[in-house]
Amino acid sequence: TQLLEQSPQFLSIQEGENLTVYCNSSSVFSSLQWYRQEPGEGPVLLVTVVTGGEVKKLKRLTFQFGDARKDSSLHITAAQPGDTGLYLCAGVATGRRALTFGSGTRLQVQP
Amino acid sequence: DTGVSQDPRHKITKRGQNVTFRCDPISEHNRLYWYRQTLGQGPEFLTYFQNEAQLEKSRLLSDRFSAERPKGSFSTLEIQRTEQGDSAMYLCASSLEGLRPEAFFGQGTRLTVV
Repeated sequence: TQLLEQSPQFLSIQEGENLTVYCNSSSVFSSLQWYRQEPGEGPVLLVTVVTGGEVKKLKRLTFQFGDARKDSSLHITAAQPGDTGLYLCAGVATGRRALTFGSGTRLQVQP
Repeated sequence: DTGVSQDPRHKITKRGQNVTFRCDPISEHNRLYWYRQTLGQGPEFLTYFQNEAQLEKSRLLSDRFSAERPKGSFSTLEIQRTEQGDSAMYLCASSLEGLRPEAFFGQGTRLTVV
């Protein structure tokens, strides 16, 4: 079973639409990271959320960390074709050392 | 510093051959990770080093896989007697021990076993 569950797995939307990606777990995380990955490349770090209830904004992207530090969401406003890619959440669960990834959400934004 | 560097970017090998990949982390980072990623999936953890010590290995890491990080700098991942199921993207990441455990990734090595 996945420690981090992402939903949806795949999302195809039109340019200008809004979307939300979810990352859920039954485990507590000291922090969660969101990455974006393009085909044939390594994941690129977008943001780290550390405090329960924290909200961070990165231009049109809004990241939220759940109060209990077990879940996170990524909201994109007015999506653009350049937002197309694989979005991954990752974190180190309490008591563990390795960074664990969700299975990813593949986003396709049609012009 | 140019970030995490992996070599080679692509490797095609025949089944049964041995392959070795190299990762050069960000210079001040003391933690180094290896991951494997297959198409449409998130990266799967393989192993983790803190300085030169290999502190954790996944059950995914069979006897044919070995990783080293001599002197706590670059790392190598060797796969012996490759199988077609080993075909994947192998990703290396590094981070600095502390309150903010962000990991930064290299561009990966794409392995194809034919």
